[in-house]
Amino acid sequence: KQEVTQIPAALSVPEGENLVLNCSFTDSAIYNLQWFRQDPGKGLTSLLLIQSSQREQTSGRLNASLDKSSGRSTLYIAASQPGDSATYLCAVGSSNTGKLIFGQGTTLQVKP
Amino acid sequence: GAGVSQTPSNKVTEKGKYVELRCDPISGHTALYWYRQSLGQGPEFLIYFQGTGAADDSGLPNDRFFAVRPEGSVSTLKIQRTERGDSAVYLCASSGTGYTGELFFGEGSRLTVL
Repeated sequence: KQEVTQIPAALSVPEGENLVLNCSFTDSAIYNLQWFRQDPGKGLTSLLLIQSSQREQTSGRLNASLDKSSGRSTLYIAASQPGDSATYLCAVGSSNTGKLIFGQGTTLQVKP
Repeated sequence: GAGVSQTPSNKVTEKGKYVELRCDPISGHTALYWYRQSLGQGPEFLIYFQGTGAADDSGLPNDRFFAVRPEGSVSTLKIQRTERGDSAVYLCASSGTGYTGELFFGEGSRLTVL
């Protein structure tokens, strides 16, 4: 059974700092891996999608990497801003159906 | 519609009552998903529709939970004899034909069972 873990559960950093969020999964036979952002009381917004054949994806200040063999993904946020404050969720897809297994999330606070 | 719409946004009910939660996916999206998110946790998969049929309902916790999508568009999640443990945010997502991996989520329906 696939399990997804995110560490740390919470993180507080000063504005401008570069940071890394970690995600690990137990079964390396994945179809894809996605990073989502969730603001309080809101739904999920897809940030980056990495297919199983890819090693990384980039969008603006965000870069996500995937290492299937070690069961790990990282989300790198450059030059963090207070507007980046949110919960970041990692989710693993094991097939092409959209059925995802989520981690518990990392709640990020970026202080001005 | 422009995005995935879920109603009601908030629902408070008493233990033992029946509840319906509605999801209106993005127009033209054939796949629809229900997830449940408890406080401080990541979402958990409940059920997935491809068109009108439930392609995978392995995440439904028990037979008090049921979902339909009769015309391949709007879906309703139905919960019978609600229990306090059913309190959570119920999230709906949709994706288009030729699954690319990207799911579009609604803002959820927050269910509180007293």
